[in-house]
Amino acid sequence: NAGVTQTPKFQVLKTGQSMTLQCAQDMNHNSMYWYRQDPGMGLRLIYYSASEGTTDKGEVPNGYNVSRLNKREFSLRLESAAPSQTSVYFCASSDTGTRFDEQFFGPGTRLTVL
Amino acid sequence: AQSVTQLGSHVSVSEGALVLLRCNYSSSVPPYLFWYVQYPNQGLQLLLKYTSAATLVKGINGFEAEFKKSETSFHLTKPSAHMSDAAEYFCAVRGSGNTGKLIFGQGTTLQVKP
Repeated sequence: NAGVTQTPKFQVLKTGQSMTLQCAQDMNHNSMYWYRQDPGMGLRLIYYSASEGTTDKGEVPNGYNVSRLNKREFSLRLESAAPSQTSVYFCASSDTGTRFDEQFFGPGTRLTVL
Repeated sequence: AQSVTQLGSHVSVSEGALVLLRCNYSSSVPPYLFWYVQYPNQGLQLLLKYTSAATLVKGINGFEAEFKKSETSFHLTKPSAHMSDAAEYFCAVRGSGNTGKLIFGQGTTLQVKP
């Protein structure tokens, strides 16, 4: 099992460019999440998908869109990147509603917006 | 609403000394609490979780945490620090509803001195 995979690992964008961060999990989890990590602020939830076909805003959704493509894949899109979106982005998944419902995290995408 | 506060953004201990990382929570419902560890340039890994079965929870790598309802605390301890414990540690509380969302603290960086 690969667990949670994310691509790309690193990305540099210019202000105004767009990009999509990809995330996939092979654990048959129903829920998936996108977080951003900034120094001194912990992880903040951007969007989440409690189940296939549903998505909801988290704490910091502005400037982002998501797509739950199927049960395995959950992508995050920046339509017009801004320097304030420079961050490390983590995808996670969980089997919500079961005893084993802790979140499993991917390795992260380090994004710099110039 | 749920929230988490980690006291101390940086903690420094000598190798072999006691590790104590503090976490206080606020929750309107019985909380589910988690500790995650993040090694440099990696994703988050679950250390342990509290789900009301026992107040003293044992995790991986010799860590444990005690749930104290009267103090609204879930502090992480390890009797003897190893150099390999140097990392960032996050306390998290499950959000309300059945979505599995987590609310993270700001993180505590643990430095272990030889």
